Amino acid sequence: QVQLVESGGGLVKPGGSLRLSCTASGFIFSDYYMTWIRQAPGKGLEWVSYISTSGSDTNYADSVKGRFTISRDNAKNSLYLQMNSLRAEDTAVYYCARDPCGGDCYSADYWGQGNLVTVSS
Amino acid sequence: QSVLTQPPSVSGAPGQRVTISCTGSRSNIGAGYDVYWYQQLPGTAPKLLINGNGNRPSGVPDRFSGSRSGTSASLAITGLQAEDEADYYCQSYENSLSGPNYVFGSGTKVTVL
Repeated sequence: QVQLVESGGGLVKPGGSLRLSCTASGFIFSDYYMTWIRQAPGKGLEWVSYISTSGSDTNYADSVKGRFTISRDNAKNSLYLQMNSLRAEDTAVYYCARDPCGGDCYSADYWGQGNLVTVSS
Repeated sequence: QSVLTQPPSVSGAPGQRVTISCTGSRSNIGAGYDVYWYQQLPGTAPKLLINGNGNRPSGVPDRFSGSRSGTSASLAITGLQAEDEADYYCQSYENSLSGPNYVFGSGTKVTVL
């Protein structure tokens, strides 16, 4: 069965950096676009970034553009989110998710369990 | 501020039918882009409920259905059950200069009376 397991979250000071990882299993990872979606405490869902199957195509929400970098290692079935210059408003549960198509669906059919990132001094 | 607008809450008695609206614009739903619906039970990750062609993924009960018209979409739950008490989100996308952006609704809390 499809499984997505995130790791790497935690407490970080404003201006700091953190790298989230997501390990996939149960499907051919290299066949699917992947995405990161976050949810601030008590708030709704906010898309963060997506990456194409090869990693050559990426896009970011305006709120994280220039600070976050999405990447993937298909040999390791892994997705990453490098987060720099973190702000208090980046505090959220971060979910990695699979796009159900090989591209151009721009949705999420399987989600990880979520990983809490807290930005606070 | 969410791009897609949903009512904050809806409620109904067990067995009743409730609907959740999702209002977008000509940049997203009105452009013909697919609309998806997710269910988020308390303390858990969201789950895909309705996919882009209006179908239900395997395992989703047929009491959930999606529809769309113009710049809006709706999720209907018929025969409301206690386990349907959750937050529901609509999602579509819109194009930007850098590529497609996912857009989400503000979320609707369904309460079973």
